Amino acid sequence: AQTVTQSQPEMSVQEAETVTLSCTYDTSESDYYLFWYKQPPSRQMILVIRQEAYKQQNATENRFSVNFQKAAKSFSLKISDSQLGDAAMYFCALFSSNDYKLSFGAGTTVTVRA
Amino acid sequence: DAGITQSPRHKVTETGTPVTLRCHQTENHRYMYWYRQDPGHGLRLIHYSYGVKDTDKGEVSDGYSVSRSKTEDFLLTLESATSSQTSVYFCAISDRGNTEAFFGQGTRLTVV
Repeated sequence: AQTVTQSQPEMSVQEAETVTLSCTYDTSESDYYLFWYKQPPSRQMILVIRQEAYKQQNATENRFSVNFQKAAKSFSLKISDSQLGDAAMYFCALFSSNDYKLSFGAGTTVTVRA
Repeated sequence: DAGITQSPRHKVTETGTPVTLRCHQTENHRYMYWYRQDPGHGLRLIHYSYGVKDTDKGEVSDGYSVSRSKTEDFLLTLESATSSQTSVYFCAISDRGNTEAFFGQGTRLTVV
């Protein structure tokens, strides 16, 4: 069984500041992939960033970066220079190559203050 | 945009009736997933498919069944709808599973 835990239901950040969202996971598999998705009020799901578990280097996509700590099974997302358009619910997700399961966490709602 | 559509988009049904939701894709992606989204619970996996006629249970599969008789369609059936199944249901598709998943627009189901 695999689980994804997001312990922060809500986070608030000032525009132009940085916010970090936490995610921990549990899996017995060695071949897996981690993702962060964004869901704005439109309910559309948008991929933010992807990380292969076998890569030690942390993934980065423009203002979004992750801190992947494999031993601790931690996968946090950092949003730098926050913009009003970053306001959304963010989901952490885990794909297991062994059983093809794609599991999501409970989500963190990010509010950006102008 | 990825070619994935869910139908119906909204449905109100009575307790005890069977309900089928359809997910249709035009991308020829191998993997298809059904989730329900509820406040405080995020996206919970109901069932998924890794090929035609190849399906498996997710974490909240009780009361749900699925079928995938062809690549493009993945059906989710609530065998006897209950009020606890009132939710927003999302279908997702993925080419290789470890790449980006694309989501449908969601189906809002209300069981009264």
